[in-house]
Amino acid sequence: EPEVTQTPSHQVTQMGQEVILRCVPISNHLYFYWYRQILGQKVEFLVSFYNNEISEKSEIFDDQFSVERPDGSNFTLKIRSTKLEDSAMYFCASSEEVSGNTIYFGEGSWLTVV
Amino acid sequence: AQSVTQLGSHVSVSEGALVLLRCNYSSSVPPYLFWYVQYPNQGLQLLLKYTTGATLVKGINGFEAEFKKSETSFHLTKPSAHMSDAAEYFCAVSHQYGNKLVFGAGTILRVKS
Repeated sequence: EPEVTQTPSHQVTQMGQEVILRCVPISNHLYFYWYRQILGQKVEFLVSFYNNEISEKSEIFDDQFSVERPDGSNFTLKIRSTKLEDSAMYFCASSEEVSGNTIYFGEGSWLTVV
Repeated sequence: AQSVTQLGSHVSVSEGALVLLRCNYSSSVPPYLFWYVQYPNQGLQLLLKYTTGATLVKGINGFEAEFKKSETSFHLTKPSAHMSDAAEYFCAVSHQYGNKLVFGAGTILRVKS
């Protein structure tokens, strides 16, 4: 079964450093997403991406965050200057269409900011 | 705005017993409802979803859920728990006009032998 793959599975970074989390969505999917889950809290929507632009973003997704689809397969989340509170599990996801379609999630990238 | 409340952060059942995980939602537009499961060290896997049509939906691994608009609920059930069902379960809501999933806090299901 096709799956969303994420790298790295775990990253430790110093506060203030830039981090790039990488994702390979399912190949025929058109919509891409990032969600995050801070330890002990809910899974939260960060951003959705379609047709090479952001279609929706949450309040969490401020200027420190950016997303990019640099080629035909990868989808990246960049955190420009990490803060301690960015420590979380980051999930990449994709779907074929937007409305009611199944959103498939990757296994997550666990980011620890020290 | 949409929101999801999952009653019970931890549920413990005996193997073979009924599993009932509760989910209530709030939505100003007709909702789409989802249950995801997360096994340890794995991603979120879709169990089942309701978009339109039949209000009783069946999913993988013997789970089912019923959309009850009058109660704003979408509870997840399974007649007979198996040890392999031990995981964390997330209820989520979206709607036909957007693609953002709003998740509940999750319920950890423990199955006792």
